[in-house]
Amino acid sequence: EAGVTQFPSHSVIEKGQTVTLRCDPISGHDNLYWYRRVMGKEIKFLLHFVKESKQDESGMPNNRFLAERTGGTYSTLKVQPAELEDSGVYFCASSQNAESYGYTFGSGTRLTVV
Amino acid sequence: AQSVTQLGSHVSVSEGALVLLRCNYSSSVPPYLFWYVQYPNQGLQLLLKYTSAATLVKGINGFEAEFKKSETSFHLTKPSAHMSDAAEYFCAVSDQGDYKLSFGAGTTVTVRA
Repeated sequence: EAGVTQFPSHSVIEKGQTVTLRCDPISGHDNLYWYRRVMGKEIKFLLHFVKESKQDESGMPNNRFLAERTGGTYSTLKVQPAELEDSGVYFCASSQNAESYGYTFGSGTRLTVV
Repeated sequence: AQSVTQLGSHVSVSEGALVLLRCNYSSSVPPYLFWYVQYPNQGLQLLLKYTSAATLVKGINGFEAEFKKSETSFHLTKPSAHMSDAAEYFCAVSDQGDYKLSFGAGTTVTVRA
């Protein structure tokens, strides 16, 4: 069984540019989550999809961040325009049920905004 | 909301020595508790989890953790450190039945030969 796949693994962009991160969950996992860790801080929850619907986006920092999950398969997280404080590692996870004990995390995307 | 405190951002141990990573949580009811590990250039991997069963939980790679309600703690231990244990370790907590994880700040473990 393939795991959760994220790409790119690294991205370096200039302030003001747009970046799109992608997450492919484990096949059959209806629940998909985004987390991020900015430098020196804790890993923080961003949002939760059930299939294509956003169930909880309470962690999204501001309207420069847009997450989508068209068709309930892969998800994208777009940052537009990127700011320096957006630098960090963005993790995606998926699970069959909406339960914390069932997560599988991806390897993360390291975003650097210069 | 749940919160987690990991004591010590860096821990250095000798190969073969005990590894002890401390985690305390704040909750009025027993939560679910987790330890994750991130090896260099890899993602988050689940080491072990407590979900209201046995209070002593055994995980992968020889790690174990004990849930102590009276101390609101979930410390991670390994009797004998190996060089391959060098990584960053995260304690995480969630409410029972919830999907959202709250993470501690992480503890980086280095192992000295």
